Amino acid sequence: AQSVTQPDIHITVSEGASLELRCNYSYGATPYLFWYVQSPGQGLQLLLKYFSGDTLVQGIKGFEAEFKRSQSSFNLRKPSVHWSDAAEYFCAVGLLDSNYQLIWGAGTKLIIKP
Amino acid sequence: DGGITQSPKYLFRKEGQNVTLSCEQNLNHDAMYWYRQDPGQGLRLIYYSQIVNDFQKGDIAEGYSVSREKKESFPLTVTSAQKNPTAFYLCATSSQGNSNQPQHFGDGTRLSIL
Repeated sequence: AQSVTQPDIHITVSEGASLELRCNYSYGATPYLFWYVQSPGQGLQLLLKYFSGDTLVQGIKGFEAEFKRSQSSFNLRKPSVHWSDAAEYFCAVGLLDSNYQLIWGAGTKLIIKP
Repeated sequence: DGGITQSPKYLFRKEGQNVTLSCEQNLNHDAMYWYRQDPGQGLRLIYYSQIVNDFQKGDIAEGYSVSREKKESFPLTVTSAQKNPTAFYLCATSSQGNSNQPQHFGDGTRLSIL
């Protein structure tokens, strides 16, 4: 069955340090890939997406993600985090053989140390 | 997203009561979705609608009902049959009901049991 795994429930990073959030998927083809961010009590905001082409994609707020086919991964990165990046981050995949469905990871909560 | 309005922000339900969550959008998007979010879990799809007067069950439709009489509106009713309704409910839209379309989210409704 298709699935999305975000191995880290929580990650704590010092302000100004680099960040990498992991996302792995299980699917027989290359899906459509998304990263979203959710601030407490809010809805989700799209950070970036990957459909095809260059495997390194740039998003909003200084985030980028790299698709690695061999590892079925789509990890999110940021060179230097700011306190305002504290939020929950969700990876999602869109299936090629579905006309609506996104499969969601369980999320990673990012905590920023001052 | 400014184009998707969910109301109310907080809602309380008594035993045996049906309650309706509102979702209105002005993005002119065809597809609309309802998700349930519980702590430590990803988003789970309740219902989705790709066009007016048509909707389909998602993964956890039992105890819920929807209607799509207008393109702009997709209300969700949590019925008394839903025995564990306490959760954060998110409405989303996409321009078309395709898995390669990013979804845009409202700010959510938090439902609790009295």
